[in-house]
Amino acid sequence: NAGVTQTPKFQVLKTGQSMTLQCAQDMNHNSMYWYRQDPGMGLRLIYYSASEGTTDKGEVPNGYNVSRLNKREFSLRLESAAPSQTSVYFCASSEADRGPYGYTFGSGTRLTVV
Amino acid sequence: QKEVEQNSGPLSVPEGAIASLNCTYSDRGSQSFFWYRQYSGKSPELIMSIYSNGDKEDGRFTAQLNKASQYVSLLIRDSQPSDSATYLCAVSYFGNEKLTFGTGTRLTIIP
Repeated sequence: NAGVTQTPKFQVLKTGQSMTLQCAQDMNHNSMYWYRQDPGMGLRLIYYSASEGTTDKGEVPNGYNVSRLNKREFSLRLESAAPSQTSVYFCASSEADRGPYGYTFGSGTRLTVV
Repeated sequence: QKEVEQNSGPLSVPEGAIASLNCTYSDRGSQSFFWYRQYSGKSPELIMSIYSNGDKEDGRFTAQLNKASQYVSLLIRDSQPSDSATYLCAVSYFGNEKLTFGTGTRLTIIP
C-alpha cells in the first residue's frame, strides 16, 4: 500500500546508546517531517526537510540529527539516547510544495530509553 | 510562540448526538487548518481541512472556520462509538508549510 513506512515499530535503548529511525514514503512528496508525541504535549516538530538535500530544525531538535538520503527517505538519528527521549516518534510527508496540504503519517516508532 | 489550544477533555457525547470540538490559535497569519483523528496507539489520520471562513462539510463531519475570532471547530453529527478517539487540530502559517498541532481533545461516544 502507498504511504509512509517507519522502522522499527518498537525499540528499547539503554542510556547512551545510539540508533537510527528509518522513514520512507512512496507518494513522491517533497516535504518530510519528524515529530515526537508525548502525553499532554501533543505533536512537536523535531526536524523537517522541504526537499531532497535540505533539512531544518523544528521546535525540539536537541539530541537528534537527520539525513534526507533521497526524495523517498528521511532518517532520524539519536547519537546518545537519554530517558527524556522516551516517546512515540512519527514521520510524515506532504505535498507542501503545491500548497498547504495536510500530512500523511507513518505508523510510529515507540521508543523507550532506560 | 505560535500556539494552538484545545480543550483536552475528555468529552463524552451520547451515541447519535452532535459532538463539537473547538480549537483556537494565536497567530492571525494562520493560513490553513486541519483536523486529525487519532485512535489509541495509532498514528494521526487527516479527516478535514479548511482554508476559508465558513463551513465545510464532508459526510458526518463539518469544519467551521472563523478567522476574525481565531477559532476553528469540528462538528460530528450522528456520533458513533467508532468516533471515540483523540482529535488533533493543526494549523499552518503564511509562507510556512509546517504544521503546529494542538494537544488534542479526547472524545468518547457513549452507546
